[in-house]
Amino acid sequence: GAVVSQHPSWVICKSGTSVKIECRSLDFQATTMFWYRQFPKQSLMLMATSNEGSKATYEQGVEKDKFLINHASLTLSTLTVTSAHPEDSSFYICSSQRDPYEQYFGPGTRLTVT
Amino acid sequence: AQSVAQPEDQVNVAEGNPLTVKCTYSVSGNPYLFWYVQYPNRGLQFLLKYITGDNLVKGSYGFEAEFNKSQTSFHLKKPSALVSDSALYFCAVSPGAAGNKLTFGGGTRVLVKP
Repeated sequence: GAVVSQHPSWVICKSGTSVKIECRSLDFQATTMFWYRQFPKQSLMLMATSNEGSKATYEQGVEKDKFLINHASLTLSTLTVTSAHPEDSSFYICSSQRDPYEQYFGPGTRLTVT
Repeated sequence: AQSVAQPEDQVNVAEGNPLTVKCTYSVSGNPYLFWYVQYPNRGLQFLLKYITGDNLVKGSYGFEAEFNKSQTSFHLKKPSALVSDSALYFCAVSPGAAGNKLTFGGGTRVLVKP
């Protein structure tokens, strides 16, 4: 299957600081990538759709100024959590779409805000 | 709006016994349906998908699922469960040709006891 990487795999930051998470599609070019958030023992919630060369499309209730998404190339999308607070602590997972039928998921990034 | 329901939070099964994880969905049109598995602190691994054609879909690791349009169900099955199948399973749906956003069910934790 296709390989999608995320970096870092885990990060601890202080409240008020910003954190950048990278999502890379390693073996195919992805015009569309997705960012999800997963709370402990809960399902994945789609945060936004990242489109290469254009602005991301955010789901209702997701603050676009807090969760900045940049899809700078066909293999890289970044999610920056700005002015992080403890309630932003979560597991963030990205995915890349290669064809209309399937998304390939990254291993996830665990963010802890202290 | 599309939705997915996984009615069981947890399924317990003895090793060697059949495993079934239930999923029902609600979506307009002809959906694409997916099953993913997640191990602790990891991303999602693709198991199988239904796009069109034969209602019985075979996937990775001996799993299969049956698409039942009249019951709007897509239950995951494995004839003989292994201890290593213990994980969190997610059913997901997209609206097919109408779009690519995945909506996930709440997840079902499978515990296979030796």
